[in-house]
Amino acid sequence: AQSVTQLDSHVSVSEGTPVLLRCNYSSSYSPSLFWYVQHPNKGLQLLLKYTSAATLVKGINGFEAEFKKSETSFHLTKPSAHMSDAAEYFCVVSEDSGAGSYQLTFGKGTKLSVIP
Amino acid sequence: EPEVTQTPSHQVTQMGQEVILRCVPISNHLYFYWYRQILGQKVEFLVSFYNNEISEKSEIFDDQFSVERPDGSNFTLKIRSTKLEDSAMYFCASSEFRAQGFNEQFFGPGTRLTVL
Repeated sequence: AQSVTQLDSHVSVSEGTPVLLRCNYSSSYSPSLFWYVQHPNKGLQLLLKYTSAATLVKGINGFEAEFKKSETSFHLTKPSAHMSDAAEYFCVVSEDSGAGSYQLTFGKGTKLSVIP
Repeated sequence: EPEVTQTPSHQVTQMGQEVILRCVPISNHLYFYWYRQILGQKVEFLVSFYNNEISEKSEIFDDQFSVERPDGSNFTLKIRSTKLEDSAMYFCASSEFRAQGFNEQFFGPGTRLTVL
């Protein structure tokens, strides 16, 4: 069975400072891992994905995440926060339920606040 | 840019009533999903749908729930007799077919269902 733990429910940073959102996962198999972002009144948008290629994954809007198997972690980082980064971020793991159909398992989410 | 749309954005109903939540997936996508998020809890997988039948469903998706693609564009989730605990945000998602590898799921903005 797969599961995801997001260690912080709320993170607050000042604009221009680094962002770190933490995620640990549990999976029976080689996992595929993702970060999704949700802005208010918007759908969930894929930020980046890890699917067993390079362990350092670059995503949209300057975000990146590093897959560390030994630590079962997939933390999301960004060197410099922007006001538009304020949103809720979800760490997600998936396993293949069948050809093409992937069931996603979500963490509880981390709300990122950016202070001007 | 194509997007998944959902209607209504907010639905209020009385306990025991039937509700239908509607989704219009991205037009060339072949896999469709419903997820829900009870306030303060994780986003949970409900069901996946492909080729006019359910591919997989979670234990949440009991006989009170059904899905349908009635006209080739809409994808609906019906709750036959709503309970208070069905109050949640319901997300629809769709993905294109690919034989191997992860198919990104594109999410709609959600429908907030409130059962009184």
